[in-house]
Amino acid sequence: EAQVTQNPRYLITVTGKKLTVTCSQNMNHEYMSWYRQDPGLGLRQIYYSMNVEVTDKGDVPEGYKVSRKEKRNFPLILESPSPNQTSLYFCASSLSAKNIQYFGAGTRLSVL
Amino acid sequence: GENVEQHPSTLSVQEGDSAVIKCTYSDSASNYFPWYKQELGKRPQLIIDIRSNVGEKKDQRIAVTLNKTAKHFSLHITETQPEDSAVYFCAASIYGGYNKLIFGAGTRLAVHP
Repeated sequence: EAQVTQNPRYLITVTGKKLTVTCSQNMNHEYMSWYRQDPGLGLRQIYYSMNVEVTDKGDVPEGYKVSRKEKRNFPLILESPSPNQTSLYFCASSLSAKNIQYFGAGTRLSVL
Repeated sequence: GENVEQHPSTLSVQEGDSAVIKCTYSDSASNYFPWYKQELGKRPQLIIDIRSNVGEKKDQRIAVTLNKTAKHFSLHITETQPEDSAVYFCAASIYGGYNKLIFGAGTRLAVHP
């Protein structure tokens, strides 16, 4: 089954404790992206990747890092999480930059 | 940078009525406009999209219209059903570029039986 898989689905952590949210797709998609969803603000792009080893900042990249060492994986790294990063995070992928994006199920993160 | 405004933020209709959600974008270079539906606790899913060389597109009870001159596009849902209740997001992108999607803030649609 074609899918985008995020882990964990729920995470509660404390300020400053490094964490990684994983994202994996099994559709051989080139393009992958991370969004955060906050009430009243919709979905805002954090980082995106056009292909392996090619990443770029979205609209709200501060406090986040990403890597794309393999085509299927695009982890989101929070080196020193802060409470303002409490949010619902979605990973998405598409065949190329010209195609429909498919979203993962989401990761709800709370930073205390 | 690109900005997408979406109205209304909430919309309540009776089953069988029509619902219209409107979005305005700022970057005249935008040429791809998808609409996503997000049911409670679930992921956003594409329901329809339109490209700038088309003024209108229909898919059963859903239609999207685009006015490039005015830089706005709208989602129309006819004969609404309770299962249409969800949050709807519009987005704008420069198609053929790096597929950076800018989303509107969302519209919470409630369809009452």
